[in-house]
Amino acid sequence: EVQLVESGGGLVQPGRSLRLSCAASGFTFDDYAMHWVRQAPGKGLEWVSGITWNSGKMHYADSVKGRFTISRDNAKNSLYLQMNSLRAEDTALYYCAKDGVGGDDYFDSWGQGTLVTVSS
Amino acid sequence: DIQMTQSPSTLSASVGDRVTITCRASQSISTWLAWYQQKPGKAPKLLIYKASSLESGVPSRFSGSGSGTEFTLTISSLQPDDFATYYCQQYNSYSPGGGTWTFGQGTKVEIK
Repeated sequence: EVQLVESGGGLVQPGRSLRLSCAASGFTFDDYAMHWVRQAPGKGLEWVSGITWNSGKMHYADSVKGRFTISRDNAKNSLYLQMNSLRAEDTALYYCAKDGVGGDDYFDSWGQGTLVTVSS
Repeated sequence: DIQMTQSPSTLSASVGDRVTITCRASQSISTWLAWYQQKPGKAPKLLIYKASSLESGVPSRFSGSGSGTEFTLTISSLQPDDFATYYCQQYNSYSPGGGTWTFGQGTKVEIK
């Protein structure tokens, strides 16, 4: 069974940094691209960032480009999101998501999310 | 960037109703479209991928259709468990300039 468990969220002041982690199990982690998706309180889903299986390509939403960095450690079956220069509008539940079987870039498994609150 | 527009934003329906949700893309995305269901306090769940392929384990009352810029999600006979918010998503990691993934704003299906 695929499991994705996010951690690292919390309350942080504007301008500060936070690093999210996602621990993966139940599948061959280094076979799949991975993504971060966020959801602000009461709002819809927003794709944040994605990384290919070998870290060869990283993609970012315009809203986080230059501030967030996605990475992965295939030896540890882990995905990360380094978030710098945080803003109030980054407040959201952050989900880790796995690419679909066959390499298509829909998201067939999701974690339960970790909450990031940016406030002074 | 590709924009995704869902309609309606809210839909009131009764158990047994046939329900259709529409998703329009601002430019052609072929069939690179997925549908997700989200219930309050839960992570999204994949229902449909590649516009019309049913994810394993998803009831057959869910179906998807469309290509290019216009897509639909249909629930043939609404069940109590189906009251939730539904999102479409375009996925195209091969677009010029790099990957893009965009969600629609969501359609909340409520009990009438």
